[in-house]
Amino acid sequence: SYELTQPLSVSVALGQTARITCGGNNIRAKNVHWYQQKPGQAPVLVIYRDSNRPSGIPERFSGSNSGNTATLTITRAQAGDEADYYCQVWDSSTAVFGGGTKLTVL
Amino acid sequence: QVQLQESGPGLVKPSETLSLTCTVSGGSINSYYWSWIRQPPGKGLEWVAYIFYSGSTKYNPSLKSRVTISLDTSKNLFSLKLSSVTAADTAVYYCAREMGSGGTDGFDLWGQGTLVTVSS
Repeated sequence: SYELTQPLSVSVALGQTARITCGGNNIRAKNVHWYQQKPGQAPVLVIYRDSNRPSGIPERFSGSNSGNTATLTITRAQAGDEADYYCQVWDSSTAVFGGGTKLTVL
Repeated sequence: QVQLQESGPGLVKPSETLSLTCTVSGGSINSYYWSWIRQPPGKGLEWVAYIFYSGSTKYNPSLKSRVTISLDTSKNLFSLKLSSVTAADTAVYYCAREMGSGGTDGFDLWGQGTLVTVSS
């Protein structure tokens, strides 16, 4: 089965740029979707199909996908961005999630 | 706007069947693909199954033998049944809508989630 690998945690200084990676075998061949989940809340889609932002998601959130790694980039990080982030792909009509990354804004 | 709401028992005994319903309000269930996704306490997300309004289904291979997903278009809801539950099935269960055409896109709409605990 397809596996997605994310770092357990990422830290970023307030106002700086955070990058969260999602590794998978030839992941560039797949559409990668990213979710933000704050404690006690349902996940929210922040990036779909590698680099597209749903309505209402700030431009500070962007995504890329190349080779074996997809990346979620958050510029000008804010305290409100502190959350768990999950990547997700489809493989053989099965949704697969990464293990999640806890983003801490210092 | 379209909203999803999960409902069902919060406590299920081991070896019994977990049953949940997701009611779709503010829009029709007669489009999109509808999924169940779960999250054990303190852990990550696990996709369980999806269903299309035509009745087409797909299951997570690791759960396939125990899971049934169904929908009722007349009531605008879809349901999940998970049989022979154990403590490992304790989780927050979310219903969600896939924005694309089944196995291609992200989940753009989620319910608030419902915690199901498996315990005697």
